[in-house]
Amino acid sequence: RKEVEQDPGPFNVPEGATVAFNCTYSNSASQSFFWYRQDCRKEPKLLMSVYSSGNEDGRFTAQLNRASQYISLLIRDSKLSDSATYLCVVRNSFSGGYQKVTFGIGTKLQVIP
Amino acid sequence: DAGVIQSPRHEVTEMGQEVTLRCKPISGHNSLFWYRQTMMRGLELLIYFNNNVPIDDSGMPEDRFSAKMPNASFSTLKIQPSEPRDSAVYFCASSPAAGQGITEAFFGQGTRLTVV
Repeated sequence: RKEVEQDPGPFNVPEGATVAFNCTYSNSASQSFFWYRQDCRKEPKLLMSVYSSGNEDGRFTAQLNRASQYISLLIRDSKLSDSATYLCVVRNSFSGGYQKVTFGIGTKLQVIP
Repeated sequence: DAGVIQSPRHEVTEMGQEVTLRCKPISGHNSLFWYRQTMMRGLELLIYFNNNVPIDDSGMPEDRFSAKMPNASFSTLKIQPSEPRDSAVYFCASSPAAGQGITEAFFGQGTRLTVV
């Protein structure tokens, strides 16, 4: 089983729609979770961190379900500019300060006019 | 704020040649990561430095790959000899903390490598 798994998509949704992505992780001791956004032929950039209690940033909502070991990203009222690949990121910390950061393969979103 | 700077942006080389990719992390960041991205495998961590010391190189594909960080402001990833299957986008990223806690990794614009 991969450490971080995502449906690569693509998800094709009309403008204004609500879309949700899930990401599962295999290490139950994982501590930190993030969603990154990557535009075509660009570098990944942090979209938002995922907190245990869930968090919202405008039209974006991130949630963590530790029992089922998945995180989710919900985008409401999709805009054309939301078209991108969304990468799930899991960070594990080990003794001595060593951290391992694992990216999912990414879910491609295409918002259609 | 210049961000993470990578060079070259594009590299086309012939199989068997040596390739050196360069990275300048954001000043003050003490964690540096080298990633490789392909369509099939996504973003893979190759090696991770903490305070210029390689911590985990388990992602380095084989002996043809080597990475160095001689000081806090410079790192290189070398492939010798290069092979067509090394064609990918190579990203360097830096992060401001080496310990526990939630920290953001800032990526450079990447080097698109094509080995023919």
